[in-house]
Amino acid sequence: DTGVSQDPRHKITKRGQNVTFRCDPISEHNRLYWYRQTLGQGPEFLTYFQNEAQLEKSRLLSDRFSAERPKGSFSTLEIQRTEQGDSAMYLCATAVNTEAFFGQGTRLTVV
Amino acid sequence: AQSVTQPDIHITVSEGASLELRCNYSYGATPYLFWYVQSPGQGLQLLLKYFSGDTLVQGIKGFEAEFKRSQSSFNLRKPSVHWSDAAEYFCAVGRPGGSQGNLIFGKGTKLSVKP
Repeated sequence: DTGVSQDPRHKITKRGQNVTFRCDPISEHNRLYWYRQTLGQGPEFLTYFQNEAQLEKSRLLSDRFSAERPKGSFSTLEIQRTEQGDSAMYLCATAVNTEAFFGQGTRLTVV
Repeated sequence: AQSVTQPDIHITVSEGASLELRCNYSYGATPYLFWYVQSPGQGLQLLLKYFSGDTLVQGIKGFEAEFKRSQSSFNLRKPSVHWSDAAEYFCAVGRPGGSQGNLIFGKGTKLSVKP
């Protein structure tokens, strides 16, 4: 257990529905990252927060995706109008100094 | 563009045998280099990292990796594999001076261990 918590662990949703995932970081870590991992691939960077500011966004983060980190604590990742291609593991990581700690991920299945 | 290549998709070794997982990177300068391990359905755990200095780095669980600038490689090794090492292994690069957690991962190598 790295101390990074993600909820839910699994989510099955129908195409077109909206979903929201939550990440609770290690309390003293001010940097927070979201990654997406599809089957047979390594994780791909989506977005980065330093405290409450979203400082980097990958071009993978389409308009249907939005991430927030109010008050610089927990973060949420919302996907609107889900598509089957959104099926993946969504990983949250927090970092201090030179090491990133990953949560166990939320596995999303869009049916 | 920066990239990470792990040439071996799947490797099977016998328990007690030695292991080497290959990783090659493409980057304009010397990046930060990492190896992570992922058990099924789990997140990633950092095994070891290289930023500078001694090119042979030691990690957790008896793993080590050697940075070879001339070959743009950062191969992971373990002298004697245990059944519990069966997992997927990811090599990753980070940008020096970057946000440290913005990493580029390879596609991973799945390790199977036979008794």
